Amino acid sequence: DTEVTQTPKHLVMGMTNKKSLKCEQHMGHRAMYWYKQKAKKPPELMFVYSYEKLSINESVPSRFSPECPNSSLLNLHLHALQPEDSALYLCASSQKSVDYEQYFGPGTRLTVT
Amino acid sequence: QKEVEQDPGPLSVPEGAIVSLNCTYSNSAFQYFMWYRQYSRKGPELLMYTYSSGNKEDGRFTAQVDKSSKYISLFIRDSQPSDSATYLCASPGFQGAQKLVFGQGTRLTINP
Repeated sequence: DTEVTQTPKHLVMGMTNKKSLKCEQHMGHRAMYWYKQKAKKPPELMFVYSYEKLSINESVPSRFSPECPNSSLLNLHLHALQPEDSALYLCASSQKSVDYEQYFGPGTRLTVT
Repeated sequence: QKEVEQDPGPLSVPEGAIVSLNCTYSNSAFQYFMWYRQYSRKGPELLMYTYSSGNKEDGRFTAQVDKSSKYISLFIRDSQPSDSATYLCASPGFQGAQKLVFGQGTRLTINP
């Protein structure tokens, strides 16, 4: 099973809402990533978890809060977002932290109104 | 100068043509290179992964790295309409780096 799943597929939220994105993998990978992708742009790294510990935060605003409850799950908690945060949010995983074969999920398309 | 540069296209070719997609990188210390394919409204999918110089072939796809010119290429033979997608080159940059640096992506359309 080489699949990374993400829920929900689509999310519309107001600027005062709190919501969460979920990512799951059952490949035994020990590194998990959150990326943000705007239309016609490449993915931009947000966070990296390695062995369930946050190892990279690319200076992401605190309205985005990642969480890694266990080695298979990754969450991204969203609060007080801005319309410019509307994007495709991609989760990825790799076997280990310094492993360039990253497997991406299908993404959650987020719209902030 | 961006670390990995890629012509965004769009590129449109007839079915059956050989497609050449290219990227350049800025630092001669880069050693690992990847090509991802991304269909519209989907996540990127790893196609090819190469280390250092030379060619790597997988079916209709060939990845090539020319370290002397800091140029990476992806060739698609016998292109099919199902190859229509955005192709992203990427590199982690330095060995041990956890972060992938992506090119801008080239949008490719194969016309039947």
